[in-house]
Amino acid sequence: ELKVEQNPLFLSMQEGKNYTIYCNYSTTSDRLYWYRQDPGKSLESLFVLLSNGAVKQEGRLMASLDTKARLSTLHITAAVHDLSATYFCAVDLLLNYGGSQGNLIFGKGTKLSVKP
Amino acid sequence: EADIYQTPRYLVIGTGKKITLECSQTMGHDKMYWYQQDPGMELHLIHYSYGVNSTEKGDLSSESTVSRIRTEHFPLTLESARPSHTSQYLCASSGPWGGSEQYFGPGTRLTVT
Repeated sequence: ELKVEQNPLFLSMQEGKNYTIYCNYSTTSDRLYWYRQDPGKSLESLFVLLSNGAVKQEGRLMASLDTKARLSTLHITAAVHDLSATYFCAVDLLLNYGGSQGNLIFGKGTKLSVKP
Repeated sequence: EADIYQTPRYLVIGTGKKITLECSQTMGHDKMYWYQQDPGMELHLIHYSYGVNSTEKGDLSSESTVSRIRTEHFPLTLESARPSHTSQYLCASSGPWGGSEQYFGPGTRLTVT
């Protein structure tokens, strides 16, 4: 059974600081997704990571994937208040032949609060 | 513009009523999903479909039912709403060319009184 663990689950940080959110998963996969959710809203796609060593950057956020370690990181650089949201990682459960099962397994989310 | 739609966005309804939450997508995606999410909490997959006439139950047991008669449409029905059904319901879809990336609708916030 594929399990996806995020940590921390709650993160309160000061504006201008850097921090990293971690996403560990328990079985082989090379497809990982990061989503953002604002309070009361739906999920918005942030990053799609489809191979070992993949790195994507958008503004102050950078995501990476290490399939050997079964680990993805979401790094926040010089945080600003607008980044306050809940961030979810999700992993594709691959079939034996490497194809996608189609369903994603989501972590519990990391609730980020950036304070002035 | 290709998109995924959910209606209604907000619904307040009394106990015992039958409700249908609508989800439609114009992206031609074959896979569609329903998630239930309480405020600030994790997502729970309640139903999914891999194509027309295909429906499966998800990880979280739900009293709701779904149907998939058309590719673009994946409605969710509660025959008799209860206060325990109060939650946000998110619909998502994914397609072969996008791999497994799921695109989410805006959600329906349901309150059962």
